[in-house]
Amino acid sequence: GQNIDQPTEMTATEGAIVQINCTYQTSGFNGLFWYQQHAGEAPTFLSYNVLDGLEEKGRFSSFLSRSKGYSYLLLKELQMKDSASYLCAVSAGNNRKLIWGLGTSLAVNP
Amino acid sequence: EAQVTQNPRYLITVTGKKLTVTCSQNMNHEYMSWYRQDPGLGLRQIYYSMNVEVTDKGDVPEGYKVSRKEKRNFPLILESPSPNQTSLYFCASSQTGRGYTFGSGTRLTVV
Repeated sequence: GQNIDQPTEMTATEGAIVQINCTYQTSGFNGLFWYQQHAGEAPTFLSYNVLDGLEEKGRFSSFLSRSKGYSYLLLKELQMKDSASYLCAVSAGNNRKLIWGLGTSLAVNP
Repeated sequence: EAQVTQNPRYLITVTGKKLTVTCSQNMNHEYMSWYRQDPGLGLRQIYYSMNVEVTDKGDVPEGYKVSRKEKRNFPLILESPSPNQTSLYFCASSQTGRGYTFGSGTRLTVV
């Protein structure tokens, strides 16, 4: 079957670095997304990885290893506003359906 | 401004009373989807559309209908809402089926 796993909760300190992992099992892999979602709000796009390696975008970076079915989102210089849920999603199949993880709730403490 | 607009933002209704949640995008995107989000269950796809007049069921289509008569609009119809359809609903669109842009969400309560 198709499955995405990510930790349910994480805690980190303001100014620190945190890595949120995502493992997946899908067929017809097209790409992997990371979204940020604040409570009660819409998910917002953070990154999209198609090829193996690290994509850096400001304080956020995302890594993909297709052979291992593994990705991580790296958040640097954490700020209080980074407290949110981080969703991993994989695009699979010809219809590019998104398969979503349940999200990792990140709490950034002062 | 490029956006996906959903209406209403909040809705309380009674069981069995037909309702429509509207979704419109101004980016000329081909792909559109409806999701519901429930605690502990994450985002689940209800229906999706790859183009005008092309729609297909997602993971949880029961009790919902959609239509895609024009590219910009993708309304979600609940013919006879029930309490188990109380949820937070999101519409999303994408040009290539890659990065989706989400609407602000509709919080629906069915009593």
